[in-house]
Amino acid sequence: AQSVSQHNHHVILSEAASLELGCNYSYGGTVNLFWYVQYPGQHLQLLLKYFSGDPLVKGIKGFEAEFIKSKFSFNLRKPSVQWSDTAEYFCAVNARDTGKLIFGQGTTLQVKP
Amino acid sequence: DTGVSQDPRHKITKRGQNVTFRCDPISEHNRLYWYRQTLGQGPEFLTYFQNEAQLEKSRLLSDRFSAERPKGSFSTLEIQRTEQGDSAMYLCASSLEGQGRNTEAFFGQGTRLTVV
Repeated sequence: AQSVSQHNHHVILSEAASLELGCNYSYGGTVNLFWYVQYPGQHLQLLLKYFSGDPLVKGIKGFEAEFIKSKFSFNLRKPSVQWSDTAEYFCAVNARDTGKLIFGQGTTLQVKP
Repeated sequence: DTGVSQDPRHKITKRGQNVTFRCDPISEHNRLYWYRQTLGQGPEFLTYFQNEAQLEKSRLLSDRFSAERPKGSFSTLEIQRTEQGDSAMYLCASSLEGQGRNTEAFFGQGTRLTVV
């Protein structure tokens, strides 16, 4: 079955700490990979995406993610978080033919000032 | 605003009533998706359209749910005989697919349904 697993449900960090959120997926075909962010009261927004090519992708606001095919992983990283990064983060995969997204359960990140 | 828009933003209804939500995608996008999100969970796929054709429906979509995209532009999602378990955020997303290209989906702000 297609699935996405996010390792951390709730992460609390102090400002300037480094962040890594784990994401593993199970999917039989060729996939595209995404991280979406949902700030409080706002809609889902794309942080970054991987379709092909360089497995290290850079997104907005200093986020990056690395696709490791052998581990079926797409972990999200940021070297120094800010209070404004407080949000919920979702990892997702889609099948290239349908575009249908399968989401993980999300990670709530709380950054303390 | 040229993003995905959903209407209404909030809906409170009594159990057993019918509700209908509307989604207006980004104008040139040919694919439109509906998802449902409950508290503490990621969005779950419900159905999607390519132009006016509904190409896939999730098993989550019971026969009380119906979605349409009559002219390949806006879409409606109707829930008949609502139940308390239908309370959730209903999200719409759109994307431009085809000709070997892949693009990301853009999400609306959702319609929050509360069934009392």
